[in-house]
Amino acid sequence: EAGVVQSPRYKIIEKKQPVAFWCNPISGHNTLYWYRQNLGQGPELLIRYENEEAVDDSQLPKDRFSAERLKGVDSTLKIQPAELGDSAVYLCASSLGPAPWQVVEETQYFGPGTRLLVL
Amino acid sequence: GQQLNQSPQSMFIQEGEDVSMNCTSSSIFNTWLWYKQDPGEGPVLLIALYKAGELTSNGRLTAQFGITRKDSFLNISASIPSDVGIYFCAGQQTGANSKLTFGKGITLSVRP
Repeated sequence: EAGVVQSPRYKIIEKKQPVAFWCNPISGHNTLYWYRQNLGQGPELLIRYENEEAVDDSQLPKDRFSAERLKGVDSTLKIQPAELGDSAVYLCASSLGPAPWQVVEETQYFGPGTRLLVL
Repeated sequence: GQQLNQSPQSMFIQEGEDVSMNCTSSSIFNTWLWYKQDPGEGPVLLIALYKAGELTSNGRLTAQFGITRKDSFLNISASIPSDVGIYFCAGQQTGANSKLTFGKGITLSVRP
């Protein structure tokens, strides 16, 4: 079974430029997550989708970050304009969910991440 | 916000030794998970714990979900060089707030 696919794997841009990341979740997984991982830290949630609906975007910096999951499968995360502090690894994860009484279905599986460097 | 505490930041062991990692929280979680992250990759799930007091093994790995639901530990027995990496604990609520809260990770080095 294919895992979570992300592209690109690496991206170097100059500050104030836009950048977009793409994620294809595991087939059949309804819930999709975007995380940001700063150097030396654990991942932190940016946004969670259940199918095509963003159900938790409280940690997404909405002035410059946007995300979409139009058909409830693939998702894109965009930053416009990028700032130096946006340099990080952007991880996508997916789970079967939502299933409040069946926790196994909410186990999250991560993609390899996109490593962003803003100069 | 919720915080998970993992310490020390780095651990150095000899190949063949056992190692134990602990994770504590000020908050209660319904699920505890342990992930390993290799350089240039995303976190890979090692063990998931769904019930307080649960002890689960996966090969040379053993993890336990603390009775208070505020802590968990991971043991690696007979370490090998490929055990090198960063080990993250994560706590998860269920239902409407099912986001993962991660610790900062422990970098494990294994000397041959």
